[in-house]
Order: sequence, then structure tokens, then C-alpha cells
Amino acid sequence: GQQLNQSPQSMFIQEGEDVSMNCTSSSIFNTWLWYKQDPGEGPVLLIALYKAGELTSNGRLTAQFGITRKDSFLNISASIPSDVGIYFCAGQLRFGNEKLTFGTGTRLTIIP
Amino acid sequence: DAGVIQSPRHEVTEMGQEVTLRCKPISGHNSLFWYRQTMMRGLELLIYFNNNVPIDDSGMPEDRFSAKMPNASFSTLKIQPSEPRDSAVYFCASSLGAGGPYNEQFFGPGTRLTVL
Repeated sequence: GQQLNQSPQSMFIQEGEDVSMNCTSSSIFNTWLWYKQDPGEGPVLLIALYKAGELTSNGRLTAQFGITRKDSFLNISASIPSDVGIYFCAGQLRFGNEKLTFGTGTRLTIIP
Repeated sequence: DAGVIQSPRHEVTEMGQEVTLRCKPISGHNSLFWYRQTMMRGLELLIYFNNNVPIDDSGMPEDRFSAKMPNASFSTLKIQPSEPRDSAVYFCASSLGAGGPYNEQFFGPGTRLTVL
């Protein structure tokens, strides 16, 4: 089936550091999404990207929809303790079909 | 406002038993999704409904799994008979529907299923 390769798998950083993660696919997606999952909860949408090349920010988070439509990245600036969790990219192949394919996840840990 | 409600939150059962997971979507949402999350396979879509009709069930593993949505406010995912490899966290999500480029999917808290 469809695969989204996400990297890195895990990150250990200190509070205040910037974070960067990315997602690549062998297929073209019409929409790229970034979700965050806290322990014991379901994923929550952070950012949605709709156009190739689009760069969108949500507070300290910035995400970009790759020009080839096969990749996306997420940056978090000046990390804080509540940023801890698992970050997932997800892609929607075509408009009108709500099926999402999720990446493998990046686990973010902040070292005190 | 109440989000997506799932029950039970935890289920422990023995191999061969029937398991039924329940979901109440957000009121007014037209689409409902069932996902399964495991360490090995990550987060996978099993099936989704729009206006109570199954649209894509290509992710349903095998005949032991079945999902129903008898009305707009309730859905079930049933596993019969259950096997240890079905152990996972099962999420239900809902959205406004397919109009427009993307409608956010809101996830429930999940049901952690353990099959012994």
C-alpha cells in the first residue's frame, strides 16, 4: 500500500532548540497535513497545505508543501516542553476522497 | 462542545471472543473514519463512511472485521473472532465531509484493545 516515509524517527532536543522533520512519498498528493499526537490521545491537526510550494505558519510551527508534491517539511522554532509528542505527516491523494495516508511519525523528546 | 466519543477506552479479551467498539461522531459531521494504530504499521485507515454509507473499506484487514453506521450519530467496529494480532489502538474520527479541498478530521481518544 501507500507509504509515507517520515524522518527522523525520533529526536532528543533541549528546550529552546529548533526542530525540523520531513516526509517523502513515491506518489503525488493534493493535500499535505501535519498532525500531533499526545500520549493517550488521538492526533490533532496542526497545519494543512493545499498548493505546491505553499509555506504556512501556525505560531512557532512552519510547514511547506514541496514543489514536486511528493514531500513536505515541518519546522518548530524555540521548542517548549508542551511540544513533546509524536508528529505525523499525512497526505490526501485527491480532492473529494477523504482517505488519508499517514507517515510513520517523529517522536519528539525534550531533554531537561 | 463534545468531541468524538469512543467506548470502551480499554478492552481486554481472549482470543476467539467477539469485540465491539463504538463511536459517536461530532454532531453535524457527515463523514466518519475508523483507524488502527500499531507500532509496526503505524496509523492505518480501515474504513470511512459518508452520510452513513461506506465509501472506502479497502483498509479492512479481513472478513473478521466489520463496520456499520446505522445512523448519523453512531458507528460500530466489530471483530469476530478476535486474534492477538488485532491488539492495537483503534481511533474513530469525524469530519464535515468531502466538500472542498480538505475537511479536518477530528479524532476521538481511541480504544486500546488487547487480545490475549
